[in-house]
Amino acid sequence: QQQVKQSPQSLIVQKGGISIINCAYENTAFDYFPWYQQFPGKGPALLIAIRPDVSEKKEGRFTISFNKSAKQFSLHIMDSQPGDSATYFCAATAQGGSEKLVFGKGTKLTVNP
Amino acid sequence: KAGVTQTPRYLIKTRGQQVTLSCSPISGHRSVSWYQQTPGQGLQFLFEYFSETQRNKGNFPGRFSGRQFSNSRSEMNVSTLELGDSALYLCASSQRRSSGYTFGSGTRLTVV
Repeated sequence: QQQVKQSPQSLIVQKGGISIINCAYENTAFDYFPWYQQFPGKGPALLIAIRPDVSEKKEGRFTISFNKSAKQFSLHIMDSQPGDSATYFCAATAQGGSEKLVFGKGTKLTVNP
Repeated sequence: KAGVTQTPRYLIKTRGQQVTLSCSPISGHRSVSWYQQTPGQGLQFLFEYFSETQRNKGNFPGRFSGRQFSNSRSEMNVSTLELGDSALYLCASSQRRSSGYTFGSGTRLTVV
C-alpha cells in the first residue's frame, strides 16, 4: 500500500515532442505528490508538485494531471528539449503524517535533437 | 542562499568498517531526511529528524542510525558495513515538516 508505481522505465522522444510519465498509488492518505528531476551526479531537484484538491497544475512546459478517483497522476513535458534529458521520479507523501517521501522507480527520459 | 551540503562526496570503505556522513541543511530548515538510492531499489527513506528528534524511520537494519544537532545539521552512521550498503546517500531538508524538500548532491559510498 506504500508503493508508488511509475511507468515507463525509459522514454525516448524527439525534440519538440511531448513526454508523458505516469504514476499510480494505493495509499489514500497520500496528499502531496511532487515530481523530481535528477541529472547524473546530482541529487533530485523538485520540479513541480500537486495536492489532490486540484486536477491539474502547470508550470511553464511542465504539467501535472491528477485523477483522485483513479489514484493516478502524470507528468507532461511539452516541447521537450535535449536539456530535459534526465531521470524523473514521482513521489507521494502524507503531510502531517509520517512525512516520508515514497518514490516511484524513476523514468529515464532521453530527448533526441 | 546555499543549498543542502553533504560531505564527503565520495567514500570508499571496507566491509566491516563504519562510516559517518554529514549533512548541512539550508539555513532555517529544521527538518532533515535521509534517503538511500541504489539502481535496484531506487530511492528509499532512511529516517527523518525535526528539531533534534527522530520523527520517522524507514525499514533499514539497526546498523543505520542518525542524529540531528541543535543547529539542524545532521549525521548518519552505518556500522559494520556490508557490500550491499554501496549506494548514493541523499540528505534533504525542509523549512517545516509540511513543505517541499530540497535534496543535496549526495555522498557516494562504495563498500569493497
